[in-house]
Amino acid sequence: DARVTQTPRHKVTEMGQEVTMRCQPILGHNTVFWYRQTMMQGLELLAYFRNRAPLDDSGMPKDRFSAEMPDATLATLKIQPSEPRDSAVYFCASGLVLDPLVPSDSYEQYFGPGTRLTVT
Amino acid sequence: AQSVTQLDSQVPVFEEAPVELRCNYSSSVSVYLFWYVQYPNQGLQLLLKYLSGSTLVESINGFEAEFNKSQTSFHLRKPSVHISDTAEYFCAVSVRNTGFQKLVFGTGTRLLVSP
Repeated sequence: DARVTQTPRHKVTEMGQEVTMRCQPILGHNTVFWYRQTMMQGLELLAYFRNRAPLDDSGMPKDRFSAEMPDATLATLKIQPSEPRDSAVYFCASGLVLDPLVPSDSYEQYFGPGTRLTVT
Repeated sequence: AQSVTQLDSQVPVFEEAPVELRCNYSSSVSVYLFWYVQYPNQGLQLLLKYLSGSTLVESINGFEAEFNKSQTSFHLRKPSVHISDTAEYFCAVSVRNTGFQKLVFGTGTRLLVSP
């Protein structure tokens, strides 16, 4: 049963500390997405990778957030320094092209279980 | 830009009763439509999707959704719900166009099934 895995599942840290979240996409998927979920904002897309290259990170606060994909089996999202407003659930998703017959850059996305981050 | 509206933030229903979760979208071009389900403390799971063809799509656990282009809707229905269907349901839309298309989510509808 192919699944997206994320570690850690829960993280509590103090303001100012560095936080690294990891994601292992489904083998064979060439796209990875990072989302943040909060009660106030709902689901927000932070970044999107295709074939390990970052294609869209316009939703990510650039001054403290960074996303990388060092290899096809690992994607990371880093926050440095962390702030209380970063408290949220962070989801990784990997995807397949939705409709190969249509030249559309849309994907069927499979979500991981999320990392619940609490910054105190 | 496209958007998704889920008017009902919460839908309480008794077990074995029918349910409809409403979803309306706005887009000036063709779209792909999705329903995702999120159980407590879990990630989102794809429930069903509409790409093209038949406007009625079904999931393996008894849910179905109908794409209505004239009403720009993609409502989710189940004729008889179970306690285990209690979860948050998200409608999402992606534009059928070239270039990267974000998956835009609605705010979610919490389905509460009671005995």
